[in-house]
Amino acid sequence: GAGVSQSPSNKVTEKGKDVELRCDPISGHTALYWYRQRLGQGLEFLIYFQGNSAPDKSGLPSDRFSAERTGESVSTLTIQRTQQEDSAVYLCASSLGTGNEQFFGPGTRLTVL
Amino acid sequence: TQLLEQSPQFLSIQEGENLTVYCNSSSVFSSLQWYRQEPGEGPVLLVTVVTGGEVKKLKRLTFQFGDARKDSSLHITAAQPGDTGLYLCAGGELTGGGNKLTFGTGTQLKVEL
Repeated sequence: GAGVSQSPSNKVTEKGKDVELRCDPISGHTALYWYRQRLGQGLEFLIYFQGNSAPDKSGLPSDRFSAERTGESVSTLTIQRTQQEDSAVYLCASSLGTGNEQFFGPGTRLTVL
Repeated sequence: TQLLEQSPQFLSIQEGENLTVYCNSSSVFSSLQWYRQEPGEGPVLLVTVVTGGEVKKLKRLTFQFGDARKDSSLHITAAQPGDTGLYLCAGGELTGGGNKLTFGTGTQLKVEL
């Protein structure tokens, strides 16, 4: 595709449920990032994938959060046993590689009731 | 944890006015990026500065990277309603794991007619 796409665009779930968010990066981009953005605030780094290297998970806030990436394509961010404080916009970005410009998707707005 | 503080947090001005947004940190970054984000979309890169003291101009926008590479400013001349949005600075660290960005707290700009 022309840009980074994310699905769903909106997700409303009940506290305690698991959710899975999807990111399709730009074709050929080897690096993929996940960020969390609370309302009107900056972005909080969650996790980073680069090629076949072990992902940098240093930003994941708890063990309820995990992410996977298949090769250099789709990534999924999973949040288990969601809590109300997980409500935020989850943004995915991809780049050609180390040090290159990151291109962002439109995000998934997660609301935990 | 590296922090990037932006000021002001909110700014509401009239069309034609000038404004400056500041991005400050106690940490040194290898690069500094500025993004603009509109509602429902991901951030879009405006500029990257990499050299201490560097000044870049993009039409009515002027970006400066501090000599010590710890701070940056964004100056907009003759603001227009189309400049409305959330402005985010982001400090880059080139690590073994890639280009990790630390985002600032954001400045919400509203330009009114």
